[in-house]
Amino acid sequence: AQSVAQPEDQVNVAEGNPLTVKCTYSVSGNPYLFWYVQYPNRGLQFLLKYITGDNLVKGSYGFEAEFNKSQTSFHLKKPSALVSDSALYFCAVRDYGNNRLAFGKGNQVVVIP
Amino acid sequence: GAVVSQHPSWVICKSGTSVKIECRSLDFQATTMFWYRQFPKQSLMLMATSNEGSKATYEQGVEKDKFLINHASLTLSTLTVTSAHPEDSSFYICSVSPTSGRGSGTDTQYFGPGTRLTVL
Repeated sequence: AQSVAQPEDQVNVAEGNPLTVKCTYSVSGNPYLFWYVQYPNRGLQFLLKYITGDNLVKGSYGFEAEFNKSQTSFHLKKPSALVSDSALYFCAVRDYGNNRLAFGKGNQVVVIP
Repeated sequence: GAVVSQHPSWVICKSGTSVKIECRSLDFQATTMFWYRQFPKQSLMLMATSNEGSKATYEQGVEKDKFLINHASLTLSTLTVTSAHPEDSSFYICSVSPTSGRGSGTDTQYFGPGTRLTVL
């Protein structure tokens, strides 16, 4: 079964500094990888995904993520964090041919003004 | 991306009553919708996969008689929490993977805004 690990509970970063949210995954086949963001009492908003192709994926709001097959990682990054980026971030994975997503526990990102 | 709505956005009910939550895809069709449950400051737990025109597939540990799912059309799935108890209080979120229309063929699940259920 597929699974995702997000090792940190909370990530604190000063506004304007680079932001990294870590994610490692486990699947039996080729992974489909996703990042979502959730604001309080809201559903999840899609940020970006990796299916195939270029390992560096660019998404919404200036976010990007790099797929690293050897390290089974898909870390989310943003070069310069904004206070409005403060939210809960989820990494998710599914196997090819399986439409069920497995989510990590989520990371609370706090951007300090 | 595709737009998914949920109704109601929040509901408070008495213990023992039933509550129906609707999930609608607004600009696409979907043969499959998913229902998740989220506790405060925790991740999403998949409850069931809702299949249009057939029975839902429930995850292990989820009571199908308590959480009734009906996927009667390609744009609507409903989750009914029957005989609700305080422990059913949670944030319920649906998602959709479009099969036609906007967002189809993208392998991406789009999520509704969620429904906050509080059972007194």
